Parts: sequence; structure tokens; C-alpha cells
Amino acid sequence: GENVEQHPSTLSVQEGDSAVIKCTYSDSASNYFPWYKQELGKGPQLIIDIRSNVGEKKDQRIAVTLNKTAKHFSLHITETQPEDSAVYFCAAIRETGANNLFFGTGTRLTVIP
Amino acid sequence: EAGVTQSPTHLIKTRGQQATLRCSPISGHTSVYWYQQALGLGLQFLLWYDEGEERNRGNFPPRFSGRQFPNYSSELNVNALELEDSALYLCASSKYSRGPGYTFGSGTRLTVV
Repeated sequence: GENVEQHPSTLSVQEGDSAVIKCTYSDSASNYFPWYKQELGKGPQLIIDIRSNVGEKKDQRIAVTLNKTAKHFSLHITETQPEDSAVYFCAAIRETGANNLFFGTGTRLTVIP
Repeated sequence: EAGVTQSPTHLIKTRGQQATLRCSPISGHTSVYWYQQALGLGLQFLLWYDEGEERNRGNFPPRFSGRQFPNYSSELNVNALELEDSALYLCASSKYSRGPGYTFGSGTRLTVV
């Protein structure tokens, strides 16, 4: 199965700075890469995703980049705000066939006001 | 549209007992996934049900089992509870059996004493 590694495990940034979280995957056939945000006491929520036919996707302050050759993808948050503080998970899946999402180990992001 | 609902929100059991956790997917979603999130750790895949059948199973012992009902709701059963089973159990549903489009519930916090 797929193996997804995520770094760093914890990240602290000053409000207004940028935050970058990186993930690598092992299955070259994986072609869908979502990112989830989990706030305290809640389930993970999808915040952005990217497919392997796209190199970059942006949604306001959040962007995701994908390097298929190197098998890694990253989440970029610009102009961070205190409400961005949460645990972020990356995931990967091969959309063909019967597969479930494989998640990274999570990054606890703290935005310091 | 109602989201994924899980019950109960909290559950306290004694070691050796059985626990039953329930999940109602979003209307129209046929796939249900169960994940275990131990404190401070990532999302470990447990089980995936689609159209009433078990489609995939994670690396967990057989005392973790479940089923999916004709209305696509699901329950997770954990027999012979051990202290290390204490965790947040998350259910997710998706419309398509190939994974993308997961929506998570808020989870059931199981504590084994």
C-alpha cells in the first residue's frame, strides 16, 4: 500500500508569516492528494486538493504544489492567522481500483499572535 | 445537508468489554470509512465499507470488526477492549467508492479503563 510521510510534525509561525508543510508518497500510481485541517474536538475537514495532472492549485491564502517526479507535495499557507492553528494532514490515493486514503502523520501548526 | 454523524460522542468502557460505535453517512454517500486516531498520533485506517460489503481492512486485529447496513449507516465493534484501544474513532463517508470526497464526522472518543 501507499506510505505517506509528513514534515514537520510541529510548526510555529508568527501571525502574518507563511507556513509550509511537506509530504512525500511512495506509490507512483497515486494521483489524488487532499489536505485536511483538524481543529480541536472536530473531525478533519478537506481544505484543498490536487490531482496529478496539475502542478499547483491555489485557493485564497492556501496553495498546494505537486512534484510527481520527486513524489512530493506541499501545502503553503500565506498571511497566517490565529484561526489557522490546527493539525494538518496530507493524504494520497490511487483513484483507480479499490483504494482508501492513506494519511500522513500530521503537522500541528501554531500561529502566534 | 446533514453531515456525517457519529454516536456516541464519548464512551467509557472497562478492559475486556465490547464497544459499539455508530456512523450515519451523508445522504447519497455509499462508502463509509473508519479510522483510529490515538492521542498525538495520525489517522490509522481501520475499515472501509461500500454497498454493504467490506472493501478493505487496515492492519488491526480481528477483534475490530464492523458492518454496513442497507441504509449505508455503519457500526464499528471492538471486542475484548484493551487499554491501548483508547482513541478517537473517526468515520468518514464518500459518494464514490474510490475515496476522494471524504467527509469526516466529529468522532467518538473511546476511553478504556
